[in-house]
Amino acid sequence: GDSVTQMEGPVTLSEEAFLTINCTYTATGYPSLFWYVQYPGEGLQLLLKATKADDKGSNKGFEATYRKETTSFHLEKGSVQVSDSAVYFCALRGVTSYDKVIFGPGTSLSVIP
Amino acid sequence: ETGVTQSPTHLIKTRGQQVTLRCSSQSGHNTVSWYQQALGQGPQFIFQYYREEENGRGNFPPRFSGLQFPNYSSELNVNALELDDSALYLCASSLARKGNTEAFFGQGTRLTVV
Repeated sequence: GDSVTQMEGPVTLSEEAFLTINCTYTATGYPSLFWYVQYPGEGLQLLLKATKADDKGSNKGFEATYRKETTSFHLEKGSVQVSDSAVYFCALRGVTSYDKVIFGPGTSLSVIP
Repeated sequence: ETGVTQSPTHLIKTRGQQVTLRCSSQSGHNTVSWYQQALGQGPQFIFQYYREEENGRGNFPPRFSGLQFPNYSSELNVNALELDDSALYLCASSLARKGNTEAFFGQGTRLTVV
């Protein structure tokens, strides 16, 4: 079945450092890909998305490119801030008849001043 | 336009009891999905409702059941609670249509089973 794998955390970075969180997926056809963010004690917020190969999703300085050839959707940010500290989930929605979203295990990011 | 709202925010139940969680979908959305997020893990799909019928289910036993009402709000019911049911329960709403739709999540209900 469809699945998502992402790098294990926790990840600790200094403010203004470069961030990469790796994500790879297994799915039939062409799924839609997402990054969600969860701040402490809160629900999920959609950070960015890409719906077809070579699409680049971007938001709040974060970017991720849908790579069909490597089945990857890595999250990047050039300069992280303390306020980016959160748990990041890579996710996909497959081509089934309903809107089921499959999540990776999450990567916890802590940014220190 | 209101977002997805869930109630209650926190809940403590005893093993063996039953619980009902509620979700109001975002205005204009007709599809509701429920997810269970255990501590330190990613959310797991429980089931989805569209036009008041279940149209997709994850790997959860029948004691997890749900309802969707004509106004598209939804309930998640869990019978015979077990300790492992302790988790954050998330509701997501979307508009089912051809092409890609985006799911919007509520803040969740934190259920603790003791």
